[in-house]
Amino acid sequence: AQTIHQWPVAEIKAVGSPLSLGCTIKGKSSPNLYWYWQATGGTLQQLFYSITVGQVESVVQLNLSASRPKDDQFILSTEKLLLSHSGFYLCAWSLEWGYEQYFGPGTRLTVL
Amino acid sequence: GEQVEQLPSSLIVQEGASVLINCSYTDSASVYFPWYKQEPGKRLQFIIDIRSNMERKQTQRLTLLFDKKTKHLSLHITATQPGDSAIYFCSARAGNEKITFGAGTKLTIKP
Repeated sequence: AQTIHQWPVAEIKAVGSPLSLGCTIKGKSSPNLYWYWQATGGTLQQLFYSITVGQVESVVQLNLSASRPKDDQFILSTEKLLLSHSGFYLCAWSLEWGYEQYFGPGTRLTVL
Repeated sequence: GEQVEQLPSSLIVQEGASVLINCSYTDSASVYFPWYKQEPGKRLQFIIDIRSNMERKQTQRLTLLFDKKTKHLSLHITATQPGDSAIYFCSARAGNEKITFGAGTKLTIKP
């Protein structure tokens, strides 16, 4: 069975500090991977997607970057956090285009 | 870009009642429409989907209707149970990996 993990569970960070969030998928080779941001009580905003190792496409510009260093790993990062980065970050995978997505448990980020 | 609107934003019904959640989209290039459910404290979970070459899909107590002409979808949930209390999201995907979600419909089932 496929499993998806995200780390950390929650982070409290200062404005201007760096950030790295991780996502790992086990039990599925070459999945499509996605990062989403969900403001408190808000809708999901797709940030990035990746269909293969080393290839990441940006959907919106939020002063964030993403990388896929391994087939099963997706990293979201920034060198300088903004207050507006606070929210809930979700990682997801899908078999390929046109199939449903499976979401991780999310990381709650609070920027102070 | 694509915009997805969901109505209503919230809904409170008595257990056993049926509910209807509406979703409309703007981009005629969207061809795949999965719906998800987010229960309190739980992960976002896929519940049903439909493709643009279909008009209707049913699974257990869920029926999803799709009108390509009006760019409208509706999710019908029958015989609601307390476990159906959640936020329901519709989403739209075009011929790429860009996915747009609606703002969600918060459904509360009163026992």
